[in-house]
Amino acid sequence: SQTIHQWPATLVQPVGSPLSLECTVEGTSNPNLYWYRQAAGRGLQLLFYSVGIGQISSEVPQNLSASRPQDRQFILSSKKLLLSDSGFYLCAWKGSHTGELFFGEGSRLTVL
Amino acid sequence: GENVEQHPSTLSVQEGDSAVIKCTYSDSASNYFPWYKQELGKRPQLIIDIRSNVGEKKDQRIAVTLNKTAKHFSLHITETQPEDSAVYFCAAEASGTYKYIFGTGTRLKVLA
Repeated sequence: SQTIHQWPATLVQPVGSPLSLECTVEGTSNPNLYWYRQAAGRGLQLLFYSVGIGQISSEVPQNLSASRPQDRQFILSSKKLLLSDSGFYLCAWKGSHTGELFFGEGSRLTVL
Repeated sequence: GENVEQHPSTLSVQEGDSAVIKCTYSDSASNYFPWYKQELGKRPQLIIDIRSNVGEKKDQRIAVTLNKTAKHFSLHITETQPEDSAVYFCAAEASGTYKYIFGTGTRLKVLA
């Protein structure tokens, strides 16, 4: 069966520090992968999505970037965090035969 | 691009009553409309979905209706229970883009 792992689960970072969130999917090949951000009490904002290795589509111009170095690995990064980057970051993958998005357990980022 | 609006933002109902959440979308070519439930601090999980070739779909106490002409779809929960309390998100798949655009969410409270 397919599983999705996301880490770290929580982190507290100072303004201006770098960020790296990692997501891996198991049990499937060539999945569509997504990064969403959820600010406190808000909706799900699509940040990046990828349909294959090295293929990244950015939805929101900001100080975040994403990379897909391997088929089932999706990384969200920042060189310098802003206060507004605080939120709940969710990685997701899309099944090839259904439309369902499967979300990871999320990474809660607090920027101080 | 696709835009999804969701109403109401909060909804309180008495246990046993029905709850209805409505969403509208802008891209007439969108063809897949899922609904996700997110409990506090957890990942969103799919509860029901509908494709554009179907007008209604039911799964026990949950149903979704789609009006393609008006470009809106709704979630109906009957005989609500306290465990239905959560945030519900609608979404639409932007045609040909692999992107899932989410509504802003509805916080449902079922009062015992």
